[in-house]
Amino acid sequence: AQTVTQSQPEMSVQEAETVTLSCTYDTSENNYYLFWYKQPPSRQMILVIRQEAYKQQNATENRFSVNFQKAAKSFSLKISDSQLGDTAMYFCAFMKDGGGGADGLTFGKGTHLIIQP
Amino acid sequence: DTAVSQTPKYLVTQMGNDKSIKCEQNLGHDTMYWYKQDSKKFLKIMFSYNNKELIINETVPNRFSPKSPDKAHLNLHINSLELGDSAVYFCASSLSTSRDTQYFGPGTRLTVL
Repeated sequence: AQTVTQSQPEMSVQEAETVTLSCTYDTSENNYYLFWYKQPPSRQMILVIRQEAYKQQNATENRFSVNFQKAAKSFSLKISDSQLGDTAMYFCAFMKDGGGGADGLTFGKGTHLIIQP
Repeated sequence: DTAVSQTPKYLVTQMGNDKSIKCEQNLGHDTMYWYKQDSKKFLKIMFSYNNKELIINETVPNRFSPKSPDKAHLNLHINSLELGDSAVYFCASSLSTSRDTQYFGPGTRLTVL
């Protein structure tokens, strides 16, 4: 079974600063996918970024980028030039490559990120 | 053009009642899921359906039953509701199997009194 750990229950930064959210995971799988989802107060789960474990290059999406360290089983999210709208819960999630069967996501407990004006 | 929709968004009911939550996706995806988010915001998979076939069932009580009339719909039926069932329930879908990103609905907040 997989586990995902987010060690920062809450973080607070000033607008325009850069912030990094940490995530570590434990798995015996070699092929898998990692995700960051954002959940603002509206409750909607929004995909922020996705990383395939077989890719060495770190994924980026505009102001969002990850630092994927496969050997260390670490998958941190960096948000540059943070904006008030980035205030949300951020969930790190793991999905194994099931090779045919549909698998659910294994989530961490989340980090509540607050962007201060 | 909502990709994954759920109804209702809020559901308040008494213990012992039976209720259903509906989910529809218009993305043409083959696989749909139900997740439960508890009061501490922890999300856990409950079920997934692939081409109307149940794929996984993560030790969920048998009071919960997913029903899929077609691949665009996956409804969640809950019998004999208990206080501990109070949570937010999310439906999600993905194109096919476990290589594909899952997209979530807006969630249904269930409160059992």
